[in-house]
Amino acid sequence: EIVLTQSPATLSLSPGESATLSCRASHNIHNYLAWYQQRPGQAPRLLISDASNRAAGIPARFSGSGSQTDFTLTISDLESEDFGIYYCQRCDSWPPAFGGGTRVE
Amino acid sequence: QLQLQESGPGLVRSSGTLSVTCTVSGDSIISRSHYWGWVRQSAGKGLEYIGSISFNGNDYYSPSLKTRGSLSIDRPMNEFSLRMISVTATDTGIYYCVRQSGTSAGDFDSWGQGILVTVS
Repeated sequence: EIVLTQSPATLSLSPGESATLSCRASHNIHNYLAWYQQRPGQAPRLLISDASNRAAGIPARFSGSGSQTDFTLTISDLESEDFGIYYCQRCDSWPPAFGGGTRVE
Repeated sequence: QLQLQESGPGLVRSSGTLSVTCTVSGDSIISRSHYWGWVRQSAGKGLEYIGSISFNGNDYYSPSLKTRGSLSIDRPMNEFSLRMISVTATDTGIYYCVRQSGTSAGDFDSWGQGILVTVS
C-alpha cells in the first residue's frame, strides 16, 4: 500500500507570504498526484491534477511540482481566502488515497 | 455548470443501513469519461475514499469497507447512491459525492456540498 505523508502538519503564515507544502509518497507514483483545498465549512475542491496542472478556475498563484515520490504545492502571495487545509491524493492506482493534510493558518 | 447534491437521512441507528443519494445536474451520469463516487470525512479527520461506480455499473469499494457497501446508478434520474449496512459510530461523518476523472483511481474534480450522517 502506497502511503502519502504531508508536511508540515501546520503552516502559520501571513497574507502576502508564500506557502510551500510537501507530499511524499512511499513508492513511485510517477506524476499521478492531485492537490485539494478545503476551506472551513466547505467541501474540498480540486486545485492541481497530474502533479502540476491547475484545474479550471484555479488562480495562477497555485502551482504544483514534483514527480515519483516528492511533490510540492506552492501558494504565492497568500490571500485570506487561501487559509484552510490542503490534501494531496495519489491517482496512480486503485484505491485512491489521501494524505493527512496540511493546515495553512 | 456541473452540480452534485447529496440527500438522505441525517441520522441512522447503529447496526442499521445508511443510504445516501447524489443528484447530478449539468452532466450525464452515463458519461464514459467519468466515474461517480463517495468520499467521507469524519469529525476533525481527513478524507477517506469509499467507492466509485462507472457509467455501466462497474463498481469499486475501499478495502476498509469490506463487503458492507453497495453502489448503484439510476440513469433516468441522473442519480447514484451509496448503501452501507451494519453501520457503527465510526461510520459517522460528512459524506461527499464526487465526480472522478477518467478511472476509478482518478482525481475528484467536482464535489457535492456534503451531507452529515450520524450513526447513533
